[in-house]
Amino acid sequence: DVKVTQSSRYLVKRTGEKVFLECVQDMDHENMFWYRQDPGLGLRLIYFSYDVKMKEKGDIPEGYSVSREKKERFSLILESASTNQTSMYLCASIPGGGSYEQYFGPGTRLTVT
Amino acid sequence: AQSVTQPDIHITVSEGASLELRCNYSYGATPYLFWYVQSPGQGLQLLLKYFSGDTLVQGIKGFEAEFKRSQSSFNLRKPSVHWSDAAEYFCAVAPHGGSQGNLIFGKGTKLSVKP
Repeated sequence: DVKVTQSSRYLVKRTGEKVFLECVQDMDHENMFWYRQDPGLGLRLIYFSYDVKMKEKGDIPEGYSVSREKKERFSLILESASTNQTSMYLCASIPGGGSYEQYFGPGTRLTVT
Repeated sequence: AQSVTQPDIHITVSEGASLELRCNYSYGATPYLFWYVQSPGQGLQLLLKYFSGDTLVQGIKGFEAEFKRSQSSFNLRKPSVHWSDAAEYFCAVAPHGGSQGNLIFGKGTKLSVKP
């Protein structure tokens, strides 16, 4: 079974802190994604990566950056956390090569106070 | 631009009753279509998918969905709902030729199940 893990299930940070959210997949998947999920808004794509050191902006990249130094790991970085970044963050991966079936991690619920 | 609409934000059904969750998409051609389920506090799990062929697809947990090209719809159904089906359901589309496996998600339908 594909496994996508996220470093924390719950995280509380203060405004202005730098926050790292880590995602690791164990199936040698090519593409990885970061979403945020808010009530009534569904999932919105922040960034995705289709290869090591490659990244593409999604629909809402402002305030976020990403890093993919190794194929299995995709990090989401909040350079200076703000209260409007309080949300559920979901990571997903797909094998690539025309596959669209995304495998999701359990999510990290981030609260910024 | 492509979009996915789930008209029902919240649905409540009685245990044992049938269920239909609606999904409409806006796209010029037939996209790849998906339904995901999210239990409280969890990530998303794929229920079923449609790429081509038979327009009625079977998924896990007794769910099925029917693709209707004329209505641009991909509605999810279950003949008899169980209390454990209470969750949020997301419809998603992937345009053919879309870059890098991106999906467009609907805003979700929350399902509550009455005993």
